Formats: sequence, structure tokens, C-alpha cells
Amino acid sequence: DVKVTQSSRYLVKRTGEKVFLECVQDMDHENMFWYRQDPGLGLRLIYFSYDVKMKEKGDIPEGYSVSREKKERFSLILESASTNQTSMYLCASSPPPQGILSPLHFGNGTRLTVT
Amino acid sequence: AQKITQTQPGMFVQEKEAVTLDCTYDTSDPSYGLFWYKQPSSGEMIFLIYQGSYDQQNATEGRYSLNFQKARKSANLVISASQLGDSAMYFCAMREEYGNKLVFGAGTILRVKS
Repeated sequence: DVKVTQSSRYLVKRTGEKVFLECVQDMDHENMFWYRQDPGLGLRLIYFSYDVKMKEKGDIPEGYSVSREKKERFSLILESASTNQTSMYLCASSPPPQGILSPLHFGNGTRLTVT
Repeated sequence: AQKITQTQPGMFVQEKEAVTLDCTYDTSDPSYGLFWYKQPSSGEMIFLIYQGSYDQQNATEGRYSLNFQKARKSANLVISASQLGDSAMYFCAMREEYGNKLVFGAGTILRVKS
């Protein structure tokens, strides 16, 4: 079974802090994704990566950056956390080829609260 | 731009009855895939079922089936013989063939009553 692990289940940070959310997958997947989930809005794509050191912006990249130095690890960085970034963050991966058939495999999510 | 609409914020169903969760989509790409995910209160996202735009038959996986009506751009999830464990949030999603993104709807909360 594919395992996508997010390092923290719950996180509380202060406004202005730099926040790192870590995600690791164990199935050698090329593609990794970061989504945020908010009530009434569903999941929205922040960033995705299709290879080491490669990244592309999703629909809501503002205020976020990512890092993919190793294939199995994809980090989401909040450079200066703000209260409107309080949300559930979900990491996902999918195998190649990046075709329409590939479902995403998700981690259990990190619920981030910024105070 | 691709878009997914789930018009039912919440649904109730009696245990052992069938329920249909609505999903409509919008895309100009002729080749695309449609997905349904289940999210229980634990937060994990569980892949349920997939339908390709060129598939002739409606997809089925156990008690889940996808009622795909291409001309109406709808991809409704049908859950037969509902169980208490089906209580969860359900998301419809779509990926276009030439896009990397899986785009999600807002979700429908399903509550199964005993």
C-alpha cells in the first residue's frame, strides 16, 4: 500500500512565523501535491511537483513556497504565517505517467492554526 | 477552465437505502477523468471510483457506482445499501488529459441514519 506521511497532525503557530509542513511518500512517485481544504471550498491546489527540484504553481500559491530536494519528500513553506492560512493541509502523490487515470494518494492532513 | 460543482452541502439517508450524490463538471477538453473520494471524520482521503470520458460503461466498485451522463456533464455517485460507516464527506474531482491538476468540488456531507 502507498503510504503518504505528513509529519504533524495538528500545528499551532503565531502570525509572522515561518512554518514548514513536511510530507514523505514511500512509493517512488514522481508527482507530489499540496492542497488546502476549507469548508465550502473543497480542496484547492497550492503547488505541485513532477520531479526533484521541479515545481509548478497551483491555483492559490500566494504566501506559500515549496521544496523538493529528494524524490520522496515535498515540503510546503509558509514564509510568514497569517491567520488566513489557518486551514487543513493535505499532501498527495501519484505514480507516473501523469495521466487522467492516476488517482492521488493522500496523507492524513495537517490542521494548522495560526494565531 | 475546468470546474466541479457539488450542489448538495449535506444529505441524509436511511441505513440500507440507496443515495445519489450529485456532481456536474465543466471542461472543454474532450479527454478527462472523473474521480470520487471519501473523507471520514478521521481526515484521510479515500479514493472510491474513477470514470474516463471515453468509457462506454458506467464505473462500478462494490456498492459504489458512477452515473455518468456525458451530454449533461454530470457524474453522480450512487451508493447502494447505505451503511453507518458511509457517513463522511464526499468529493467529486476531475483531471483533464493535458493538465496536471486534480480539481475538486466543494464536497457533500453524507449522514446515514439508523
